[in-house]
Amino acid sequence: EAGVTQSPTHLIKTRGQQATLRCSPISGHTSVYWYQQALGLGLQFLLWYDEGEERNRGNFPPRFSGRQFPNYSSELNVNALELEDSALYLCASSFPGRSEKTQYFGPGTRLLVL
Amino acid sequence: AQSVTQLDSQVPVFEEAPVELRCNYSSSVSVYLFWYVQYPNQGLQLLLKYLSGSTLVKGINGFEAEFNKSQTSFHLRKPSVHISDTAEYFCAVSEINSGGSNYKLTFGKGTLLTVNP
Repeated sequence: EAGVTQSPTHLIKTRGQQATLRCSPISGHTSVYWYQQALGLGLQFLLWYDEGEERNRGNFPPRFSGRQFPNYSSELNVNALELEDSALYLCASSFPGRSEKTQYFGPGTRLLVL
Repeated sequence: AQSVTQLDSQVPVFEEAPVELRCNYSSSVSVYLFWYVQYPNQGLQLLLKYLSGSTLVKGINGFEAEFNKSQTSFHLRKPSVHISDTAEYFCAVSEINSGGSNYKLTFGKGTLLTVNP
């Protein structure tokens, strides 16, 4: 069974540009979660999508946004990039219909903002 | 609000020695508890989880953890480590809402386990 996949693996942008990161969940999973792992800040919850809807977001500005497509894949968009957005962005997915949602993570996209 | 404290940022040990990585959490409601491992330049891999029932849970690669509700702890242990266990280990909690469900994970800062020959 294929795991969570993310693309691209690495992304280099300059300040002010926009970045788009993509995530495909494990087959059968309908929830997708995004986390940011920045140096010195640890792993922080960004967004949760379920059945195509944004269900919750962490303490991040509105320039962090995303969407979930009908096939449950997801896209994270970061607008007006700032140097401190440089981080590893991790996507996770979980199985639907269960009260307990164990999250399975992808390999991440490493974003570098110059 | 939930929080997680991993008491040791780095733990160096020799190969075949036992190891314990400590994790304490704070939450006003019931939680699910998880340990993830991150190898260099990779994502997170689930090691084990506590949902309910027996407080001793076994995971992959010979790891186990014990949930202690009174001490709000979930320490990770392995009786004999290998060089290949060198990685960063993250403890995480997820609050259970009134509907019996959970969503976001709150992570500790991580513990870097270095196994030396």
